[in-house]
Amino acid sequence: AQSVTQLGSHVSVSEGALVLLRCNYSSSVPPYLFWYVQYPNQGLQLLLKYTTGATLVKGINGFEAEFKKSETSFHLTKPSAHMSDAAEYFCAVSAIGSNYKLTFGKGTLLTVNP
Amino acid sequence: DTEVTQTPKHLVMGMTNKKSLKCEQHMGHRAMYWYKQKAKKPPELMFVYSYEKLSINESVPSRFSPECPNSSLLNLHLHALQPEDSALYLCASSQEGPHSGNTIYFGEGSWLTVV
Repeated sequence: AQSVTQLGSHVSVSEGALVLLRCNYSSSVPPYLFWYVQYPNQGLQLLLKYTTGATLVKGINGFEAEFKKSETSFHLTKPSAHMSDAAEYFCAVSAIGSNYKLTFGKGTLLTVNP
Repeated sequence: DTEVTQTPKHLVMGMTNKKSLKCEQHMGHRAMYWYKQKAKKPPELMFVYSYEKLSINESVPSRFSPECPNSSLLNLHLHALQPEDSALYLCASSQEGPHSGNTIYFGEGSWLTVV
């Protein structure tokens, strides 16, 4: 079984500042890791994912994440926050044997201050 | 086109009503999902259809009844719901499952209010 821990249920940054959203996972087999964003009153949209290969993954809207096996982490970053980045962010994990199940973290609400 | 379309966007129903939520995808995906999401919580898996057959039922009460008429359509039939069933219901699809590294694509959701 897999699990995800997102550190910080609420992160607040100033516009133009670095965004760092933390995600740690647990998996007994090689994980597949996902970051989703949910804007108010909308569904979830994939930002990026890691399956295999390059550990630094680039996604949409300037976000990127690095898979660090030794730290069991998959933190999401963006160099410069924009007001439009304000949303709920979910880290999720799956793996072989999970049978269609995607395990989500509890989410991190990002607010961007002008 | 990576789009999952859900209708209706909003639904208000009484506890004795029967209604349905509908979902459609034209990406050729073989897996389709229903999730339930309460405010400020992550989505919770309800059902998975794989190749038009029910693959997973996460012990969902029988007042929720899924149906997959064909590979592009997914319905969720609702009957005798309770107020605590009020939530955002998300439909999703994927080529194979996330257990193969595949992306799950979500619709915009249907907001359900039970009165």
